[in-house]
Amino acid sequence: DAKTTQPPSMDCAEGRAANLPCNHSTISGNEYVYWYRQIHSQGPQYIIHGLKNNETNEMASLIITEDRKSSTLILPHATLRDTAVYYCIVRVANQAGTALIFGKGTTLSVSS
Amino acid sequence: DTAVSQTPKYLVTQMGNDKSIKCEQNLGHDTMYWYKQDSKKFLKIMFSYNNKELIINETVPNRFSPKSPDKAHLNLHINSLELGDSAVYFCASSRTSGGAGSSYNEQFFGPGTRLTVL
Repeated sequence: DAKTTQPPSMDCAEGRAANLPCNHSTISGNEYVYWYRQIHSQGPQYIIHGLKNNETNEMASLIITEDRKSSTLILPHATLRDTAVYYCIVRVANQAGTALIFGKGTTLSVSS
Repeated sequence: DTAVSQTPKYLVTQMGNDKSIKCEQNLGHDTMYWYKQDSKKFLKIMFSYNNKELIINETVPNRFSPKSPDKAHLNLHINSLELGDSAVYFCASSRTSGGAGSSYNEQFFGPGTRLTVL
């Protein structure tokens, strides 16, 4: 799986958009970008994934650059409950039983 | 109606003991995993089981052995516990059938088991 680079920490004011960047310059054509987050003392939680088109769901939006070498996870209206470690993971989607390779992630702190 | 459950949530034990952690998923998934999160918060895969077959076995000591009585359960047995085994262990599951690009292989994680070896 390709490696990813994320800033170690970010701050965001409650109600504002949180934009979390991720660099994956060695991504392969068949690899997807996945985002998970881990709220303190809980198991990781899937947020969103995409291949090359921008994606949006009830939790977040994912913007992938045209060359696919970087992406941004957007939480449109951050709340205190969004404080967590956010992991950007690049992997092939349809490999049976492929484990997630977690990096250090970005610790997002949302404050009032 | 918890999707992925683990028992116990906390486990405190002495060095040298043998212990087990249980995991159950009610999502109908066919692959289950065990991850370890150490004190530095790094999450690493230990094992995964697909249709009762071990398909990943990272460089984990053979004191750790996963056992899957059926597709809904993947238990983790640990023999001769050592201080370095202290960590949080997460179980996860996913469905591996389906087309590429879907979220079919999204992994669902349990709440974790915090193991402390004294």
